[in-house]
Amino acid sequence: GNSVTQMEGPVTLSEEAFLTINCTYTATGYPSLFWYVQYPGEGLQLLLKATKADDKGSNKGFEATYRKETTSFHLEKGSVQVSDSAVYFCALILYGNKLVFGAGTILRVKS
Amino acid sequence: DAGVIQSPRHEVTEMGQEVTLRCKPISGHNSLFWYRQTMMRGLELLIYFNNNVPIDDSGMPEDRFSAKMPNASFSTLKIQPSEPRDSAVYFCASSLEYYEQYFGPGTRLTVT
Repeated sequence: GNSVTQMEGPVTLSEEAFLTINCTYTATGYPSLFWYVQYPGEGLQLLLKATKADDKGSNKGFEATYRKETTSFHLEKGSVQVSDSAVYFCALILYGNKLVFGAGTILRVKS
Repeated sequence: DAGVIQSPRHEVTEMGQEVTLRCKPISGHNSLFWYRQTMMRGLELLIYFNNNVPIDDSGMPEDRFSAKMPNASFSTLKIQPSEPRDSAVYFCASSLEYYEQYFGPGTRLTVT
């Protein structure tokens, strides 16, 4: 079946450090890929997306590139801030509207 | 735009009681989703509607759970009877078909 695997957290970084959160997927076709972010006490928000191979999604300093050859969509940010502390979810859509989420990765940024 | 509205934000109830969660999607969106989030199981899709019609309810855990969407601006998720293992945060999300899903703030349900 279709699935998403994320690196386990929590990931703890100091402010201004480089962030990578790994995400790989398994799908029977060519999915669209997403990163969602959940801040404490809130619902999920779309952070960025990519709909085809080699597309790069970017938003708020975060980037992720759709790599078909490695079935990956790793999230990166060059310099994290305390305000980036949240749970990050990688997800895919293959058919219709049904999002398939990874387990989520907790990010904690210390000042 | 007000975003997706959910009520109540918090619900505490006793085992065996009926619980009804409510959702108002973003105006103009034609798809609506109910999710459940727990530490143990993560984020699970329970059911989704397209143009008010249930399309996939394979995630509904058992017959105690039911969901309705009587019109384009309102949906309910009902649990009857509730059990302690139903304690979770329940999210509603809406979208225009094939586009991004917008999530509500969630309802935190505690069943004692």
